[in-house]
Amino acid sequence: DADVTQTPRNRITKTGKRIMLECSQTKGHDRMYWYRQDPGLGLRLIYYSFDVKDINKGEISDGYSVSRQAQAKFSLSLESAIPNQTALYFCATTGEGDTGELFFGEGSRLTVL
Amino acid sequence: GQNIDQPTEMTATEGAIVQINCTYQTSGFNGLFWYQQHAGEAPTFLSYNVLDGLEEKGRFSSFLSRSKGYSYLLLKELQMKDSASYLCAVMDSNYQLIWGAGTKLIIKP
Repeated sequence: DADVTQTPRNRITKTGKRIMLECSQTKGHDRMYWYRQDPGLGLRLIYYSFDVKDINKGEISDGYSVSRQAQAKFSLSLESAIPNQTALYFCATTGEGDTGELFFGEGSRLTVL
Repeated sequence: GQNIDQPTEMTATEGAIVQINCTYQTSGFNGLFWYQQHAGEAPTFLSYNVLDGLEEKGRFSSFLSRSKGYSYLLLKELQMKDSASYLCAVMDSNYQLIWGAGTKLIIKP
C-alpha cells in the first residue's frame, strides 16, 4: 500500500461545483502539503500544515481551503471550481528534522469544465 | 523574485551520459533537491545537496556550487527507464521549496 494516498485519482466536474480532494498518510509525519502542477510550470504550493493546529497559505491559496482532520489526514477543497483550476494536484508529507525529502501521493487529476 | 531555471527538454542515447543543469536565484539557501517524475506519476526523491561538491549515488550524481547558484544532475549509463522529467528545487531561507518547471529527458535507443 502507498504511504501517501490521494482520492479521487481523477475527477471531472463543472464550473461552480464544490470539490474535495482527500489525502491520508501512514508515515507518521507531522508536515503535510498540497501542490498543484500545470504543464510548463513548477510545482506550486497551495497550503501546508506542520501539525493539526497549524495551517498556512502557500503561494496560490486563493480559491482553495484546507482541513487537517488528524495528523494523518489533510484535505483540499475548491469551494466553487473554475476552469483554470484544472490541474494535477499532489499531496506530500515530510518529517520534522529530515533533510526535507518530500513523499508524494499519486496525484489527483482534476478537470473543471 | 525567486527563480529556478532548467532546460525544458533534452534528448540522449541509451548507454550514454547526460548532464541536466539547474541555476537558481532564491532568498537564502538551505539545500537543493533533485526529483524524478515519470509521466502521470508522482515525483520521487533523487538527491539532496547542501554543501558544495559532488554527491554520487549509483548511476546518478548531483553537483552543487552555491557561489554560482548552480547545480547539475549527471546520469550515467542511460537506460530507457530514465526517460522522465527531472525537477530541481531549492529550499529558501524560510525553508520553503521553490521548484523549477522540470526537464523532460527523452532517451533514444
